[in-house]
Amino acid sequence: KNQVEQSPQSLIILEGKNCTLQCNYTVSPFSNLRWYKQDTGRGPVSLTIMTFSENTKSNGRYTATLDADTKQSSLHITASQLSDSASYICVVSARSSGTYKYIFGTGTRLKVLA
Amino acid sequence: DAGVTQSPTHLIKTRGQQVTLRCSPKSGHDTVSWYQQALGQGPQFIFQYYEEEERQRGNFPDRFSGHQFPNYSSELNVNALLLGDSALYLCASTKTSGGPSLDQYFGPGTRLLVL
Repeated sequence: KNQVEQSPQSLIILEGKNCTLQCNYTVSPFSNLRWYKQDTGRGPVSLTIMTFSENTKSNGRYTATLDADTKQSSLHITASQLSDSASYICVVSARSSGTYKYIFGTGTRLKVLA
Repeated sequence: DAGVTQSPTHLIKTRGQQVTLRCSPKSGHDTVSWYQQALGQGPQFIFQYYEEEERQRGNFPDRFSGHQFPNYSSELNVNALLLGDSALYLCASTKTSGGPSLDQYFGPGTRLLVL
């Protein structure tokens, strides 16, 4: 069964600190993995997209890693800011019959405190 | 480029009513997917439309139906609303023709409350 699990479920950190979010998946056939940031009540916004051959990708203070062998990914946030408070969703896609099927994790809710 | 747009932004209905939500994809995109996101949960895939046909469907009852128009815009219809249908409904677009694109963009969502 295709599944994406994220941890922790929620996280509270102080402004300026770093944090790492985890994503484990069992999706086949794996095509790509995305990290999204979703502010409360808004649509998700893409942070990074990684294919099978990529093991790290950065977007400003966000750095995602991918280990296709262990089927794990992480999202590292450096020097956190109050605006980083949001849900972070890991999405793994499988390519099937010419289209992509997206499997969503339940997200990690991050709260950054001043 | 307006990106993915959805209407309305908020909606309140009562049990048993019917609702129609609308989505316009990002310019250049031809495929629209709909998701339901309950409070505190990740998005759940409802279905995907391409070439005016439903191509994939998640585990949702027949009360959920959709349509895609020749201009690639899409509608999500929900009949016989239940309290449990209260959620944020997200539309996402991507490009399939000429080879599926990795890019998938989400709209801002429609918040539906069923009383």
